[in-house]
Amino acid sequence: DVKVTQSSRYLVKRTGEKVFLECVQDMDHENMFWYRQDPGLGLRLIYFSYDVKMKEKGDIPEGYSVSREKKERFSLILESASTNQTSMYLCASSNQGGETQYFGPGTRLLVL
Amino acid sequence: AQSVTQLDSQVPVFEEAPVELRCNYSSSVSVYLFWYVQYPNQGLQLLLKYLSGSTLVESINGFEAEFNKSQTSFHLRKPSVHISDTAEYFCAVLGTGGFKTIFGAGTRLFVKA
Repeated sequence: DVKVTQSSRYLVKRTGEKVFLECVQDMDHENMFWYRQDPGLGLRLIYFSYDVKMKEKGDIPEGYSVSREKKERFSLILESASTNQTSMYLCASSNQGGETQYFGPGTRLLVL
Repeated sequence: AQSVTQLDSQVPVFEEAPVELRCNYSSSVSVYLFWYVQYPNQGLQLLLKYLSGSTLVESINGFEAEFNKSQTSFHLRKPSVHISDTAEYFCAVLGTGGFKTIFGAGTRLFVKA
């Protein structure tokens, strides 16, 4: 079974803090994704990566950056957290040419 | 570019009743279609998918969806729901050869005893 793990289930941060969300997958997948999920908006893609050190902007990259130094790990960074970044963050992975995405359990982030 | 519209944000239904969750998509290229399910406090997991071949696809827990190209729809159905089917369901589309899966806004299915 594919396993995608995220470093925290719940996180509370203050405005202006730098926040790191970590995601690790154990199936040697090439592609990894970060989404945010908000009620009524579904999932919106923040960034994705199709290889180590490669990244592509998704639909809502503003205020976020990512890092992929190793194939199994994809980090999402909030450089200076703001209250409008309070959300559920979901990481996913898929293999090259793979249509199915495998999701982690999510990190619920609250920015005060 | 693709887009997905889930026509119902919430669907309440009694246990053992049939249910249909509606999904329409638009795309200028051929697509793959998916339904994902999210149980409370969990991530999404694949329920079923259409890639090619038979337009009727089924899941292991009794859900089915039919790809209708002329209507650009991929509605999800189950003839008899259980309490345990209470979850949020997301329809999604991926252009063939593409990277970005586009998700609908979700439909919250609430099964009542």
